[in-house]
Amino acid sequence: DQQVKQNSPSLSVQEGRISILNCDYTNSMFDYFLWYKKYPAEGPTFLISISSIKDKNEDGRFTVFLNKSAKHLSLHIVPSQPGDSAVYFCAASASGGGADGLTFGKGTHLIIQP
Amino acid sequence: SQTIHQWPATLVQPVGSPLSLECTVEGTSNPNLYWYRQAAGRGLQLLFYSVGIGQISSEVPQNLSASRPQDRQFILSSKKLLLSDSGFYLCAWSPGVGRSDTQYFGPGTRLTVL
Repeated sequence: DQQVKQNSPSLSVQEGRISILNCDYTNSMFDYFLWYKKYPAEGPTFLISISSIKDKNEDGRFTVFLNKSAKHLSLHIVPSQPGDSAVYFCAASASGGGADGLTFGKGTHLIIQP
Repeated sequence: SQTIHQWPATLVQPVGSPLSLECTVEGTSNPNLYWYRQAAGRGLQLLFYSVGIGQISSEVPQNLSASRPQDRQFILSSKKLLLSDSGFYLCAWSPGVGRSDTQYFGPGTRLTVL
């Protein structure tokens, strides 16, 4: 049973355009959501997070939107740059500051075309 | 600032041999520590987490074990490796209960069991 789903295994976007990565979840107890970026043979790097009390969080070129009623979140990257090419993981937590691990999606491979 | 180290970076081991992967964190105290595995073409699966010295919780039944002999040291072990243990192993830390769910990952260890 996959509680965090990233239904697009890959996404190709032209440089300078907007990249939109989507994530759906099924567990209503999730209250904290994160996006990680991962290059091959490296550990994931934390990008941005959002708490369930908000519906938007912005950090530079990265914005995360949360729609709690639809159990859906998205990551927008504007403008997309070649260095953004990587695998992006959506993750969620129900611990509210506890010690449990994060539940990850399977990732979306973002390819930025020059 | 905090840093997390993992070693070795890569490892090739025969089936039936023992395993010991080490993870250490610098620049923080009383972190929560985690071991994840990323199998080929799959997302990140939580294996173990620890909230303190000697305190280990396991998420999935498996051939592996974990130990935390010191506050900032986390070890992943096996007495006899299986082919299915191959994968990319990631250690992560978070600031601790009640503070933040954001986890920060190490560089990972690529394990190949032949």
